[in-house]
Amino acid sequence: DAGVTQSPTHLIKTRGQQVTLRCSPKSGHDTVSWYQQALGQGPQFIFQYYEEEERQRGNFPDRFSGHQFPNYSSELNVNALLLGDSALYLCASSLKRSSGDYEQYFGPGTRLTVT
Amino acid sequence: RKEVEQDPGPFNVPEGATVAFNCTYSNSASQSFFWYRQDCRKEPKLLMSVYSSGNEDGRFTAQLNRASQYISLLIRDSKLSDSATYLCVVNAHKLSFGAGTTVTVRA
Repeated sequence: DAGVTQSPTHLIKTRGQQVTLRCSPKSGHDTVSWYQQALGQGPQFIFQYYEEEERQRGNFPDRFSGHQFPNYSSELNVNALLLGDSALYLCASSLKRSSGDYEQYFGPGTRLTVT
Repeated sequence: RKEVEQDPGPFNVPEGATVAFNCTYSNSASQSFFWYRQDCRKEPKLLMSVYSSGNEDGRFTAQLNRASQYISLLIRDSKLSDSATYLCVVNAHKLSFGAGTTVTVRA
């Protein structure tokens, strides 16, 4: 049973460039959430996708956008990269339940460095 | 005020010791609570969910106090492998993570 996978594992970009990160959820999961984790901080919620739509969003600018595909995989796009975007980007998958009480499982993350 | 606050530690304890730490949350409408463990430069991994009545999983015990809006984690008989950062997670329609409590178990 494959867990959550992310690609690439590491990425170096220059300020102003654009980046796309990819995530495949755990088998059987239909919901994907993206987080940004800066060094020494907890993960910060970016947004969540369910049924190919953005359902919730954290306090991140419009430069951060995403997409979910029919097979539940997801992409995170960041435009006009800033030095402050350097972080570990984590994808987490879960199964949406009516009770809203769900457990998330994380992928290994993509470490983005902006120079 | 941050949504979830944790004592960053570090808690340095000898093998076999008991260590406990708390996490406070600001949203009284929070519905569910979790503890995650994160090793250095790795992804967070679910340690345990926290139920209203409190729950135990081996050497780990989690407690929830809704009136005072805090949850706790207690680790008994600490092992070297328990060294990690423990993240408190609160679900109020979205997951909010604390910055983590670092625990170091020494031989």
